[in-house]
Amino acid sequence: GEDVEQSLFLSVREGDSSVINCTYTDSSSTYLYWYKQEPGAGLQLLTYIFSNMDMKQDQRLTVLLNKKDKHLSLRIADTQTGDSAIYFCAASKGGNNNDMRFGAGTRLTVKP
Amino acid sequence: AAGVIQSPRHLIKEKRETATLKCYPIPRHDTVYWYQQGPGQDPQFLISFYEKMQSDKGSIPDRFSAQQFSDYHSELNMSSLELGDSALYFCASSPKPDGKNIQYFGAGTRLSVL
Repeated sequence: GEDVEQSLFLSVREGDSSVINCTYTDSSSTYLYWYKQEPGAGLQLLTYIFSNMDMKQDQRLTVLLNKKDKHLSLRIADTQTGDSAIYFCAASKGGNNNDMRFGAGTRLTVKP
Repeated sequence: AAGVIQSPRHLIKEKRETATLKCYPIPRHDTVYWYQQGPGQDPQFLISFYEKMQSDKGSIPDRFSAQQFSDYHSELNMSSLELGDSALYFCASSPKPDGKNIQYFGAGTRLSVL
């Protein structure tokens, strides 16, 4: 989606950290999300962050939000081969209407 | 924990045929969303329902229709299928609106139109 942009590919070695970046254009986006999609599977919600936060950590996942630059990142520590998937960034203003906008997805490849 | 159930997982149809996709949301979720994901594309929002009423409409073609039933399951009906309708169709559900718009996705139905 053009409102949310991500780089298309990322390749890392097993055990390294992965950082997937995302930028969005709508400054009124209230919630930012990260979804993971494995081949042939649905989108799995990994985490989300509210716009009044600048960081959220959940086990190996760290989300950083720079609201001024409208930049969101997902860091995966100690990346494993099972982390290989497509990661979608999404943004929403929240509320009852569905205005969720997805990025094109970043394909993460983890090499052993 | 129960997830969003979609059926069938795979569907093969010919041009001009019709197809019906079903979605069973997570229990106690009253909002259902339908998305279409083409090869290598991000999910595109089609339509959503809240409490059995259409709540929002995206890029859904006129050939498609959908509804949400009294048990909150939803069906996406697709008629006069075209080759370009081949895609992965996702259903997502979310609980009573709390402003967070968190959507939980099903595994999808892969539709192939030959």
